[in-house]
Amino acid sequence: AQSVTQLDSHVSVSEGTPVLLRCNYSSSYSPSLFWYVQHPNKGLQLLLKYTSAATLVKGINGFEAEFKKSETSFHLTKPSAHMSDAAEYFCVVSSYNQGGKLIFGQGTELSVKP
Amino acid sequence: KAGVTQTPRYLIKTRGQQVTLSCSPISGHRSVSWYQQTPGQGLQFLFEYFSETQRNKGNFPGRFSGRQFSNSRSEMNVSTLELGDSALYLCASSLLAGGVYNEQFFGPGTRLTVL
Repeated sequence: AQSVTQLDSHVSVSEGTPVLLRCNYSSSYSPSLFWYVQHPNKGLQLLLKYTSAATLVKGINGFEAEFKKSETSFHLTKPSAHMSDAAEYFCVVSSYNQGGKLIFGQGTELSVKP
Repeated sequence: KAGVTQTPRYLIKTRGQQVTLSCSPISGHRSVSWYQQTPGQGLQFLFEYFSETQRNKGNFPGRFSGRQFSNSRSEMNVSTLELGDSALYLCASSLLAGGVYNEQFFGPGTRLTVL
């Protein structure tokens, strides 16, 4: 069975400082991992995805994540936060035997202070 | 290309009623998945359709059903509504069957309130 644990329900940073959103996963099969962002009253937008190619994945808006199999982690980072980054972020796992089923973490709400 | 569209955007129903939600995928996408988002349970997978066939189903009661048409548009139906069905229902489409290697594009959702 697969699962995803987002280690922080809420993260607060100041504008211009680094962002770190932590995610651990559990999967019996080689997983695909995603980070999605959801702005208030909006749908979900894909930030980046890992599908067994490079372990360091670059996404949109300056975000990147590193797949670490030994640590079963897929943390999301950004060097410098912008006010517009304030949103809810979801770490998501999917595996080859689950077809289109995505399993979402509980989400991390990111606040950015001026 | 137009994105995933969902109608209606907002719905208010009373307990015991039934509701039908609609999703139009991105043109050319043949796979449609549905998710329920609530503050308590987060985002949960409902079902996935590809080429008019249900390929995968989450752990929801039989009151939740869906279908897909030949043009890939999908509908989901919830019968005998309960207060706990109040949620944001999200639809996602992808190009091919299975979301593993294909990005799923999400619509804005339908906000269902059950009174």
